[in-house]
Amino acid sequence: QVQLQESGPGLVKPSETLSLTCTVSGDSIRSDYWSWIRQPPGKGLEWIGYIYYSGSTSYSPSLKSRVMISVDTSKNQFSLKLTSVTAADTAVYYCARDGLTVAGTVVPGYFDCWGQGTLVTVSS
Amino acid sequence: DIQMTQSPSSVSASVGDRVTITCRASQGIGSWLAWYQQKPGNVPKLLIYAASSLQSGVPSRFSGSASGTVFTLTISSLEPEDFATYYCQQANSFPFTFGPGTKVDIK
Repeated sequence: QVQLQESGPGLVKPSETLSLTCTVSGDSIRSDYWSWIRQPPGKGLEWIGYIYYSGSTSYSPSLKSRVMISVDTSKNQFSLKLTSVTAADTAVYYCARDGLTVAGTVVPGYFDCWGQGTLVTVSS
Repeated sequence: DIQMTQSPSSVSASVGDRVTITCRASQGIGSWLAWYQQKPGNVPKLLIYAASSLQSGVPSRFSGSASGTVFTLTISSLEPEDFATYYCQQANSFPFTFGPGTKVDIK
C-alpha cells in the first residue's frame, strides 16, 4: 500500500520560503514521477511541478521562477521549495505519485496516489 | 497553457439518477485526460485515466468517453457516496491543468 505524507511548517511569513517534504512509503521513489499540487481554500486544483528520481523536473510556468522540487532517493522523499510567498500562495499542498503505466511505459500526468495534504497559510 | 472548462458547474441529482459531466479542452489533447472525485475535506481520487480507462477499484457505474476536445464523465446510477466535486485534468502537455470542477449535490 503506497502512502505519501507531507510535512513542513503550516505558517509562513510573506516574502519567505515555503518548504515541504513528502515521504513515500510502500513504493520506491525510483519507480515513478512525483508531483506537487495545491488547492487554495474553496478553490480548484493547480499543478505545481514534478520530479523524476533522476532529478529531471518540470514546473508550471506560472510558478517556475519561484519553485524548486528536489529528490532524496536515500530517504525516499521529495521536497518543494517556493520562494517569495504571498497570501496568494495560501493553499492545501498535496504531494502525489505521478505516472501510470500505459502501453508498458510510465507516463506522467495521472495522479493515482495522494498525500493527505497540508494547509500552508502565508501570513505575518 | 491548455484551458479546461467544465459544465455544468453544479448539478443537483437524486440517488439512482444518471449524471453526465462535460469537460472541454481549449486545444487537442488526444485521450490524455483524467477525472478525479473529491469529497469535502478529502483528497482527490483518480477515477478515470486516458479518457475512458477505469482506475483499479473504481465502481463500474463510472465511465468516461471522448469526442475530439470534448470529454464526458457519466455516473450511470448515482449512489449516496457519489455526492462530491469532480475535476477533469489534461495530461497531454505541460503544465498539466485542471478544470474548475463540477459539484454534484443532493436534490
